[in-house]
Amino acid sequence: NAGVMQNPRHLVRRRGQEARLRCSPMKGHSHVYWYRQLPEEGLKFMVYLQKENIIDESGMPKERFSAEFPKEGPSILRIQQVVRGDSAAYFCASSPPTAAEPYEQYFGPGTRLTVT
Amino acid sequence: GESVGLHLPTLSVQEGDNSIINCAYSNSASDYFIWYKQESGKGPQFIIDIRSNMDKRQGQRVTVLLNKTVKHLSLQIAATQPGDSAVYFCAGPNQAGTALIFGKGTTLSVSS
Repeated sequence: NAGVMQNPRHLVRRRGQEARLRCSPMKGHSHVYWYRQLPEEGLKFMVYLQKENIIDESGMPKERFSAEFPKEGPSILRIQQVVRGDSAAYFCASSPPTAAEPYEQYFGPGTRLTVT
Repeated sequence: GESVGLHLPTLSVQEGDNSIINCAYSNSASDYFIWYKQESGKGPQFIIDIRSNMDKRQGQRVTVLLNKTVKHLSLQIAATQPGDSAVYFCAGPNQAGTALIFGKGTTLSVSS
């Protein structure tokens, strides 16, 4: 059973471009979480999605950032008009619909975004 | 607001020693905590968890202790090995119960 997949693993964008980060949850998982990690920092929650629904986006900046988890296909975190401050590692986690623990989250390897 | 934080950013130990990594939290209503290990270039990996109705939980070479009175938990690693070198995070649920709040992390360095 493959783990959480994220691609690309590394992404370089110039200021003003768009970044699209993809996350395929573990098989059978219908809950997806996105976190951002700045250098030397812990992970910061951004958004929690279930299939076709955003459950909690309280950690996501109101402008330029959006996330979706369609019925088919991976979850997408989209950052428009990137700025240097968006440079970070972005991690996706997934959990099953009936987790034994509500925070039974499995993390992917992350996408490292560099804005030049 | 709620927070979860670690006491020391770095910890250096000799191979074979026991390591203790500490963490404090602010929300006395928190009922669940997790320790994660993150190796360079990888995502966090689950180590061990503990519910607030427990004081101690043991895994393979790891023990988590929870002191609710002072809102403190610790991760103890027995007979630390070079492969244990990583950044360790404690995490707890946010108030909405929708996500995890992570501390900043302690970098554990194990020398042979």
